[in-house]
Amino acid sequence: GQQLNQSPQSMFIQEGEDVSMNCTSSSIFNTWLWYKQDPGEGPVLLIALYKAGELTSNGRLTAQFGITRKDSFLNISASIPSDVGIYFCAGSSGRSSNTGKLIFGQGTTLQVKP
Amino acid sequence: KAGVTQTPRYLIKTRGQQVTLSCSPISGHRSVSWYQQTPGQGLQFLFEYFSETQRNKGNFPGRFSGRQFSNSRSEMNVSTLELGDSALYLCASSSTFIANTGELFFGEGSRLTVL
Repeated sequence: GQQLNQSPQSMFIQEGEDVSMNCTSSSIFNTWLWYKQDPGEGPVLLIALYKAGELTSNGRLTAQFGITRKDSFLNISASIPSDVGIYFCAGSSGRSSNTGKLIFGQGTTLQVKP
Repeated sequence: KAGVTQTPRYLIKTRGQQVTLSCSPISGHRSVSWYQQTPGQGLQFLFEYFSETQRNKGNFPGRFSGRQFSNSRSEMNVSTLELGDSALYLCASSSTFIANTGELFFGEGSRLTVL
């Protein structure tokens, strides 16, 4: 089945540093998404990307949909302590018949040292 | 706007028992999806319901089932529980506009422990 390879698995950085994580797939996706999960909560959508080559920002977060449609990256600039959590990439076929079916990466655990 | 509500938040069962988990989606959302989250396998898609019909199913055994009611609320059931079913079960709701594909709103999950 489809799988997403997300890296790195974990990061421990200093407050103020920039962070970069990426996701690759053996299959094409029509939609790439990035979610963040805090302890004891469900994942929360950060950014959604719908077109190959698309670069989208949400505050200090920037994500890109790779032109091959098989990869995506997420950058976080000037990290702060509340950025701590697990970040997941996810891919979707983008068809209206399965809007709720996503393939998730294994997650990147981010720790920020004040 | 109220978020996705899942009940119960925590439960403990023993092997062989069955369990039912409940999910109330965001008002107006007609699609409800269920995911299993474990440290080893990560987030795995279980199934998706839309208009009381299951329209997608993941690679889980038949012991995992679900349903959706006319008010879009959903339940999932796991029968003959095994130790490996211990996990966080997440429900997510979404609108069905293609422009929002993949934009899921997750509940806080139901943490199931099987002893």
